[in-house]
Amino acid sequence: DTGVSQDPRHKITKRGQNVTFRCDPISEHNRLYWYRQTLGQGPEFLTYFQNEAQLEKSRLLSDRFSAERPKGSFSTLEIQRTEQGDSAMYLCASSWTGESTEAFFGQGTRLTVV
Amino acid sequence: AQSVAQPEDQVNVAEGNPLTVKCTYSVSGNPYLFWYVQYPNRGLQFLLKYITGDNLVKGSYGFEAEFNKSQTSFHLKKPSALVSDSALYFCAVSVYQAGTALIFGKGTTLSVSS
Repeated sequence: DTGVSQDPRHKITKRGQNVTFRCDPISEHNRLYWYRQTLGQGPEFLTYFQNEAQLEKSRLLSDRFSAERPKGSFSTLEIQRTEQGDSAMYLCASSWTGESTEAFFGQGTRLTVV
Repeated sequence: AQSVAQPEDQVNVAEGNPLTVKCTYSVSGNPYLFWYVQYPNRGLQFLLKYITGDNLVKGSYGFEAEFNKSQTSFHLKKPSALVSDSALYFCAVSVYQAGTALIFGKGTTLSVSS
């Protein structure tokens, strides 16, 4: 399977703990995006990378959230001191460079904070 | 501010009948419009996009969408619905000048009965 893969698929954590998610994009894609989706809502943009550079961050990305994409390949999204409001599906997507290229999404990581 | 509206939370249609899932948008630049479908336990899948040119675009699985600039709409259509089309459909818009993040609607659940 050469699609976007995310790990883990599910994560249950206690409030206050740190969690880290990984995304492996389609190999030839140089853009990588993170979105968050809560029940009954569409995905909300968090941040995106072009190669290793983080070019845009949403105001939804609080100081507790950090994303990296070392060497422009896989990416990690870390949430520090998790809160119950962080419970959501975290989606990763990748695309080629271009103003109209479609993004390909992974299956997501479902985070539950208890 | 950029936004996408999907006015119907749910659309019900009988198998074999035509279906329409509505989407309207509000952007300040030239819109790039997308439809994605989400099946349970699967990632978002790209269906089709409008960039420029012909207002009627054709996509995967027999779906098509009509771009109407004056009505700022991009409705998804299919001439003959299948039970297997039952899923959650998202309309999204990208405005290149504002970055490449997709702005999604809340989604419309399509239910096709046999």
